[in-house]
Amino acid sequence: DAGVIQSPRHEVTEMGQEVTLRCKPISGHDYLFWYRQTMMRGLELLIYFNNNVPIDDSGMPEDRFSAKMPNASFSTLKIQPSEPRDSAVYFCASAGYGRSEAFFGQGTRLTVV
Amino acid sequence: SQQGEEDPQALSIQEGENATMNCSYKTSINNLQWYRQNSGRGLVHLILIRSNEREKHSGRLRVTLDTSKKSSSLLITASRAADTASYFCATSLTDSWGKLQFGAGTQVVVTP
Repeated sequence: DAGVIQSPRHEVTEMGQEVTLRCKPISGHDYLFWYRQTMMRGLELLIYFNNNVPIDDSGMPEDRFSAKMPNASFSTLKIQPSEPRDSAVYFCASAGYGRSEAFFGQGTRLTVV
Repeated sequence: SQQGEEDPQALSIQEGENATMNCSYKTSINNLQWYRQNSGRGLVHLILIRSNEREKHSGRLRVTLDTSKKSSSLLITASRAADTASYFCATSLTDSWGKLQFGAGTQVVVTP
């Protein structure tokens, strides 16, 4: 398996634009997580899914953020409209039930100017 | 807010020395995990210890867990320059297994 695949690796966008981050989890994994990492706030759990269903989105900062998982092999995190304070590295991770170990993608570095 | 807090925030040692870092958490956990992050990369899982375990080893890594104190420690023995990275503890909660939350991390620098 190629591991968790995120795209794009880097994204630079202007304030007010819509940004969509994509994630392909490891095949067979039941859990998918979206994290945001910044120097100031560290690694924040934004939302996680179990069997494609959002379980806890309490970490999503604002209504500008939304996440979907239309099927077991794909998830998106959308920011609309984007703001400079959204600049961060966004990680997607997946895990199989009962194993607990999470596998991370390489992250998407988002810069909003 | 973060579930786990690592201590120290940064650690600088020489090759061959041992590195110890600690993690404290707030609520009951199902398990506690340690991850490593090299600069600019994703996190990599190192070791998992369950709430009913007290100590676990994996190669040069030793993890302890004290649930009465809500704390864990990670020991890296005979450190190498390649161990230079940030180390994070993560907790999986008893009542919310899937909610994996990370601490602020310990930045370790190993000099040759």
